[in-house]
Amino acid sequence: EVKLVESGGGLVQPGRSLKLSCAASGFSFNDYWMGWVRQAPGKGLEWIGEINQDSSTINYTPSLKDKFTISRDNAQNTLYLQMSKLGSEDTAIYYCAREDFEYVMDAWGQGASVTVSS
Amino acid sequence: DIVMTQSPTSMSISVGDRVTMNCKASQNVGSNVDWYQQKTGQSPKLLIYKASNRYTGVPDRFTGSGSGTDFTFTISNMQAEDLAVYYCMQSNSYPNTFGAGTKLELK
Repeated sequence: EVKLVESGGGLVQPGRSLKLSCAASGFSFNDYWMGWVRQAPGKGLEWIGEINQDSSTINYTPSLKDKFTISRDNAQNTLYLQMSKLGSEDTAIYYCAREDFEYVMDAWGQGASVTVSS
Repeated sequence: DIVMTQSPTSMSISVGDRVTMNCKASQNVGSNVDWYQQKTGQSPKLLIYKASNRYTGVPDRFTGSGSGTDFTFTISNMQAEDLAVYYCMQSNSYPNTFGAGTKLELK
């Protein structure tokens, strides 16, 4: 069974940093692109970015490129999202997702909640 | 960025109804549109990929069509468990972008 489990969310003060993790199991992690999507409270989905199998290609939505860094550790079957200079607008549920061979997000985690507040 | 405009924003429907929603891209995205279902409190779930391909295990009452700038998603025989918000997403040009969603509610 494909399983993605996000962790590392919580309450963080404005201007601080936070790193989310996404532990993958049930598939060959290093064969897949992986991505992150977020959803602010009561709002729609926002694509954050994606990373290829060997981390040689990482694509971001431009507005987040200077704040967020996507990385992965294939030995640990884990995807990461490093977030810096957080503001209230970054309060959201953050989902990791697997991209299949058509670059379609076919499996999603349950999400990690991040609240940016003083 | 490509803007994906979904319509309607919400729909009041009854079980058994045929439901049709639309997604319009601000520029040509070919067939690179996927449809996701998100039920309350859950993560999104892939239903249709590349405009018209039903994902593994998705019931055949869900269909997608379109290409270029205009896309349609249809539920042929609405079931109670289909109550959700449905999102389209284009992956033709970076950054990938989602529509704002269509929420299905019971009449």
